[in-house]
Amino acid sequence: GQQVQQSPASLVLQEGENAELQCNFSTSLNSMQWFYQRPGGSLVSLFYNPSGTKHSGRLTSTTVIKERRSSLHISSSQTTDSGTYLCALEGGSNYQLIWGSGTKLIIKP
Amino acid sequence: EAAVTQSPRNKVTVTGGNVTLSCRQTNSHNYMYWYRQDTGHGLRLIHYSYGAGNLQIGDVPDGYKATRTTQEDFFLLLELASPSQTSLYFCASSETVSGNTLYFGEGSRLIVV
Repeated sequence: GQQVQQSPASLVLQEGENAELQCNFSTSLNSMQWFYQRPGGSLVSLFYNPSGTKHSGRLTSTTVIKERRSSLHISSSQTTDSGTYLCALEGGSNYQLIWGSGTKLIIKP
Repeated sequence: EAAVTQSPRNKVTVTGGNVTLSCRQTNSHNYMYWYRQDTGHGLRLIHYSYGAGNLQIGDVPDGYKATRTTQEDFFLLLELASPSQTSLYFCASSETVSGNTLYFGEGSRLIVV
């Protein structure tokens, strides 16, 4: 089965609401990374988070290894937050990334 | 800020045709990667390299060749393109294999008809 599962697959919110995105993994973890992909475009790294909580502006990433999960919280969402958010697990002996399928986020004005 | 540039951005070719996707990174990163992105599959690693002349096989290498000619340049070759290779291709680079941010190019959309 899939080693990295993201939920929800899609999320529609009104501007100003908070978003909570989840990534669950079933294999050993070296670290977890979160990326943002703008519609039809490239990917930008948001967080490199092996464990614990990290903040960047309105974004917060929390990784709990023993519970095999990582979350991305977006507070006070804006229309410019719309896009796809992907998590990627850095695991195994070769350190290659194992990617989730992404959460498509739509923020309505 | 590291820059990764891909070309072409869009390409249409016929079944059996030859395609070369180019990638150049300007930050002298050691590692470069080629991924494909398809709906329902996320990103899948095709090939990667840790330096000029080096090539490592990724998770979905069948039908693809790659060559790292310099520290900056990494090419993906499709010698007999098939419709199953219609996809969005991304090149990325990183300083090391672990613990570092990946920098992605803008993507190359390939359609094989």
